[in-house]
Amino acid sequence: AQSVTQLGSHVSVSEGALVLLRCNYSSSVPPYLFWYVQYPNQGLQLLLKYTSAATLVKGINGFEAEFKKSETSFHLTKPSAHMSDAAEYFCAVISSGGYQKVTFGTGTKLQVIP
Amino acid sequence: NAGVTQTPKFRILKIGQSMTLQCTQDMNHNYMYWYRQDPGMGLKLIYYSVGAGITDKGEVPNGYNVSRSTTEDFPLRLELAAPSQTSVYFCASSEKSQGYGYTFGSGTRLTVV
Repeated sequence: AQSVTQLGSHVSVSEGALVLLRCNYSSSVPPYLFWYVQYPNQGLQLLLKYTSAATLVKGINGFEAEFKKSETSFHLTKPSAHMSDAAEYFCAVISSGGYQKVTFGTGTKLQVIP
Repeated sequence: NAGVTQTPKFRILKIGQSMTLQCTQDMNHNYMYWYRQDPGMGLKLIYYSVGAGITDKGEVPNGYNVSRSTTEDFPLRLELAAPSQTSVYFCASSEKSQGYGYTFGSGTRLTVV
C-alpha cells in the first residue's frame, strides 16, 4: 500500500533561517507529488506539485521542492523563513493509473521564531 | 471566483442527530471530494465524485452519504451522528483528475456531543 511519511510533526526555525520539511513516499511507480499549506482555521492551499516535468519544482511564496527518485523523497525548502510561513504543511502523493488515490502525510507544523 | 464554498463553518450536533454539510464550487470541476481531518492523522477521504451522478466510497465512508445531482454541488450527509464523527470536514475539487491538484474549501468544524 502506498504511504507518505513526513518526518517531524513540529519544526521550529528562526526568522531568516533555512526551512526544510521532509517527505518520503513509498511507491514503485513514479508518482505525482504535492505540497499543501494550511494556515490556521483555513483549508489547504496548493504550494507546488511535481508531475515528472522537472525534478526541482518551484512553488508559491518562495518554496521549492526537489524530487529524488533514488531516495523516494520530495523535501520542501525555503532559503529564508518569514513569520508568515508559520503554518502546517502536508505532503501528498498519488500514483498513476486507474483512480488516482491521494495519500496525505500527517502534516508538519512550522513555527517561525522571531 | 468564489472557488469552493462550504457551509456551515461550525456546527454542534447531539448524538443521533443528522445534518448535511454543503459544498459548492464554481470552477466547473468534474472531480469533487470530501475529506475529514483529525489532529495528527492527516486527511482521510470519505467520498469522491468524478462527475454529476457518479459517486464512490473513499477510505472512511461509514456513517456518511453523498449525492451529486449537479456539477457544482456535492453535499455530505451525516446520519445518526456519533462522537467519532467529531472532526473538521473539507470539501475539495479538481480539474479532470487529482494530478492537477485540489482546490479546498475552508472547512466545517463539527462537534458531536
